Amino acid sequence: AQKVTQAQTEISVVEKEDVTLDCVYETRDTTYYLFWYKQPPSGELVFLIRRNSFDEQNEISGRYSWNFQKSTSSFNFTITASQVVDSAVYFCALSEAADSWGKLQFGAGTQVVVTP
Amino acid sequence: DSGVTQTPKHLITATGQRVTLRCSPRSGDLSVYWYQQSLDQGLQFLIQYYNGEERAKGNILERFSAQQFPDLHSELNLSSLELGDSALYFCASSMTSGRTGGIVLTFGAGSRLTVL
Repeated sequence: AQKVTQAQTEISVVEKEDVTLDCVYETRDTTYYLFWYKQPPSGELVFLIRRNSFDEQNEISGRYSWNFQKSTSSFNFTITASQVVDSAVYFCALSEAADSWGKLQFGAGTQVVVTP
Repeated sequence: DSGVTQTPKHLITATGQRVTLRCSPRSGDLSVYWYQQSLDQGLQFLIQYYNGEERAKGNILERFSAQQFPDLHSELNLSSLELGDSALYFCASSMTSGRTGGIVLTFGAGSRLTVL
């Protein structure tokens, strides 16, 4: 069963618009971590943010912000004032205390297209 | 440059063949993880090695095997290749074994395998 759901397949915006990416996860663990990774057209996976299940405080880091709500099992990610360089596939991932915390379960990804 | 080196970048081969993908982790990292990204399955965890020993296993086929050598580089061997094995294979590394949460994986650029 899919543990991480990214319902949005593709989002297209014009530069300077805000983009919010949705992520819904499923876990029975009380301790877990959530991540966002970015995959630009060049193909590599780049770490963006991490959140643990005990910290629901939402934060802003530069143009990135995230909204973590345990009550709805959601971990949404927002890019403010998007730029063309933000065009990429964004993946949400879950890490549970299974056999290894490094075993990430990824969602299907959301393609973000930012046009000038 | 993430510091995780993967070779080859691209590989084209025929069904039934065997290939070896190589990964050198970031300096100081003891764990190596292999992930597969395919159109059908998305990003999937395959296997993790920590300091030469297998640490965790995911959806890795029996036709696939991996190992980590004393110098910490790792190889992923794929045999009896099928068309469905065509994918982008990522290696990632981390300093720790995976027994503590919140690990941030550093990914390499990937090896793109095409099976014809």
